Order: sequence, then structure tokens, then C-alpha cells
Amino acid sequence: GEQVEQRPPHLSVREGDSAIIICTYTDSATAYFSWYKQEAGAGLQLLMSVLSNVDRKEEQGLTVLLNKKDKRLSLNLTAAHPGDSAVYFCAVRPFNTGKLTFGDGTVLTVKP
Amino acid sequence: EAGVTQSPRYAVLQEGQAVSFWCDPISGHDTLYWYQQPRDQGPQLLVYFRDEAVIDNSQLPSDRFSAVRPKGTNSTLKIQSAKQGDTATYLCASSQGQGQNTLYFGAGTRLSVL
Repeated sequence: GEQVEQRPPHLSVREGDSAIIICTYTDSATAYFSWYKQEAGAGLQLLMSVLSNVDRKEEQGLTVLLNKKDKRLSLNLTAAHPGDSAVYFCAVRPFNTGKLTFGDGTVLTVKP
Repeated sequence: EAGVTQSPRYAVLQEGQAVSFWCDPISGHDTLYWYQQPRDQGPQLLVYFRDEAVIDNSQLPSDRFSAVRPKGTNSTLKIQSAKQGDTATYLCASSQGQGQNTLYFGAGTRLSVL
């Protein structure tokens, strides 16, 4: 089955810096790629999703890059601020199935 | 629009006890998912339904776990005889369809088995 590796497990940056989180996956049939944010005591909030025909997507200070050749997905938070401090997860699945496979998360701390 | 509602928020059990978790999905969402999230790990799919039918329960430990969605709306996940290894947060999610559509997650039930 699908294996997803996410790194780094912990990331600390200063306010205004960029934060980059990377996931690699194994299944070449993977067609849907997403990033979720989880704040303490809360559920998972979808940040952004892309399909396999998209290489790059930017939205509100977030950039998702997809490299299908290397089976690598990344999330870049440009100009991070303390409110971005949370746990971030990548999640992927094949087309037309609900079986999302998650990475193990990155704990992001943004210091003022 | 109300989100996905789960109850209880917390549960503490001794090993061998039973517990049930309840989920109310977003109105109109036909697909419902149960995930288990151990501490410091990502969520792992246990089971999911389309309407009242189980689509995939291959990761559900069938000797002790069961899940139902009898009318295709609310769902219950039950652990018959809890073990310490079941300690985790149990997340429910729903979506309209199961292809490209977004999963919306509830806040989860945090289970501790002593």
C-alpha cells in the first residue's frame, strides 16, 4: 500500500521566515494531494489540495509544489507568523477512492 | 453550515472496558470516514461508508472494533474490549462523494486506556 514519509518532524522558524515541509509517497497511481493543519484540541483543517495535473499552486501565502517524477510534495509557508504554529500533515490518495494516507506530521513553531 | 460533530470529546477507560464514539456528519454528505490518530502520528483510516454501506474496513481490527451507519447519516464506532494500544484520538470525517472532494474533519474523541 501507499507509504508517505514527511519531514522534518519538528520545524522552528522566526516570524517572517519561510517554512518548508516535504512529503514523499510511493504509489504512482496517487492522484490527489493535500495539506492539513491541526491546531491543539481541534480537528484537521484543509489548507490546500491539488490534483496530479498541477505542478504548482499558490494561495494566501502558501505554495504547494508537486514533483511527480520524484514522488515529492512540498508546502512552503512564505512569511510565517506565530498564528501559523500548529501541526501540518500531508495526505494523498488515488483517484476516486476515499483512502487518504497521511504523513506523520510536522510540528511548526513560529517565534516572534 | 454545521460541521462534523463528534462525542464524547474525551474518554478514559480501564483495559477490557467497552466504549462507543458517535459522529454526526455534515448534512448531505454521503461518505463518512473513521480515522485513528495515535499520539505524534498521522491519522490512519479504519473504515469508511458510502451511505449505509461499508466501502473499506480492511484496517478495522474486527475482533474488537465495529462501526455502523444504519441510515446513512450518523455513525457509531465501538470498541468492545479496549486495550492500552487503542489509546489515540478517533477522528470522524465526511465528504460529498469519495473522489476529489474535500474531507471535513470533526474535532475528534481523545481516548485513554489505562
